[in-house]
Amino acid sequence: DAMVIQNPRYQVTQFGKPVTLSCSQTLNHNVMYWYQQKSSQAPKLLFHYYDKDFNNEADTPDNFQSRRPNTSFCFLDIRSPGLGDAAMYLCATSKEEPGGTQYFGPGTRLLVL
Amino acid sequence: EDQVTQSPEALRLQEGESSSLNCSYTVSGLRGLFWYRQDPGKGPEFLFTLYSAGEEKEKERLKATLTKKESFLHITAPKPEDSATYLCALGSGGSTLGRLYFGRGTQLTVWP
Repeated sequence: DAMVIQNPRYQVTQFGKPVTLSCSQTLNHNVMYWYQQKSSQAPKLLFHYYDKDFNNEADTPDNFQSRRPNTSFCFLDIRSPGLGDAAMYLCATSKEEPGGTQYFGPGTRLLVL
Repeated sequence: EDQVTQSPEALRLQEGESSSLNCSYTVSGLRGLFWYRQDPGKGPEFLFTLYSAGEEKEKERLKATLTKKESFLHITAPKPEDSATYLCALGSGGSTLGRLYFGRGTQLTVWP
């Protein structure tokens, strides 16, 4: 089945220690998104890619970076995680079209010690 | 400014007790109203997309409807396995193509 895969499902890191989360997709969608979701809150868009074009949200901290080496893979890098960065990180994909449905992966739960 | 508000924040139903969740919105150019289901510790699961007022879609015990100002997710004779958080999201033509504005969700609990 076509799907969005995220690894790892759980990630524990230390305060200030860089961490990378990965997302892959078999849907062949050209748009990929990264969201941050904290407990009982709506998913918050961090950035997204149209193919290789990177689009950063204005309020996304510089501590968060992303890479998309090819259509299938996208990475979220947190350069110096703080305690406030503990959250669920969600990857989603969609076709590049108005009103295109976004399909989400299972998420990576990040814990910062 | 595009906005999405969901109500109630939490809803407890007895098994078989039908009810509705509300999603009200303001938008400059609707590009789809999306409903997702999210189980604890998991990513949102796509349920429905509605594009124009008057549109309705159904899936098992769920039915989504859309007006110019709000959408409803009707749950008929719910079962405990319907317990989850239901998220409403708005696609807007007035901003970045493909961007979704999410509501905070309604946490539904169905008890036997």
